[in-house]
Amino acid sequence: DIVMTQSPDSLAVSLGERATINCKSSQSVLYSSGNQNYLAWYQQKPGQPPKLLIYWASTRESGVPDRFSGSGSGTDFTLTVSSLQAEDVAVYYCQQYYSSPPTFGPGTKVDIK
Amino acid sequence: QVQLQESGPGLVKPSETLSLTCIVSGGSISSFYWSWIRQPPGKGLEWIGFVYYSGSTDYNPSLKSRITISVDTSKNQFSLELRSVTAADTAVYYCARHSASRPLFDYWGQGTLVTVSS
Repeated sequence: DIVMTQSPDSLAVSLGERATINCKSSQSVLYSSGNQNYLAWYQQKPGQPPKLLIYWASTRESGVPDRFSGSGSGTDFTLTVSSLQAEDVAVYYCQQYYSSPPTFGPGTKVDIK
Repeated sequence: QVQLQESGPGLVKPSETLSLTCIVSGGSISSFYWSWIRQPPGKGLEWIGFVYYSGSTDYNPSLKSRITISVDTSKNQFSLELRSVTAADTAVYYCARHSASRPLFDYWGQGTLVTVSS
């Protein structure tokens, strides 16, 4: 199985400031023939299911605000919230879908400072 | 708008079988893959397995010996059976959809908490 790790475990950011979450996979999730990274990011608020934010490492899902962006390739990825809003308080998970079983990172909790 | 809704018992006794159903509305179950994913209280997400609308399946090796996922296209629903449950199987169980072109989970049910306890 591909093991996903995330850092930090949690962070607190002032409203309007940048939040950065890192995700690392135990092996590359770059499918070279299509030059696509099989990496997604989800946001989960308390009592709700995860919501897809980003896929192919950097493509925003329809309806997701453009303050959310994803970057990285191979084994190292980043989710950035450029200007944190109160409604962004949540746990964020990365997930690889390069190989079965699909696996998730342990999550990063984002709060307001 | 596709909607998924899980249903099933909220309490299962140890050693018994957990059975859940996910009803898909607002769209056809055809041409998509349908997964079960679980989340123990306060913990992270674990993919259990999927069923394709044709009936083919793929399971997480960690659970493979205990699970069966099936689909009923006539009812636009799919189901999970998890046998010989223990307290470690206590979790919120989600159903979710993905496609071959976008093999990520784009639609999720609200989740149902299943507690394993005598």
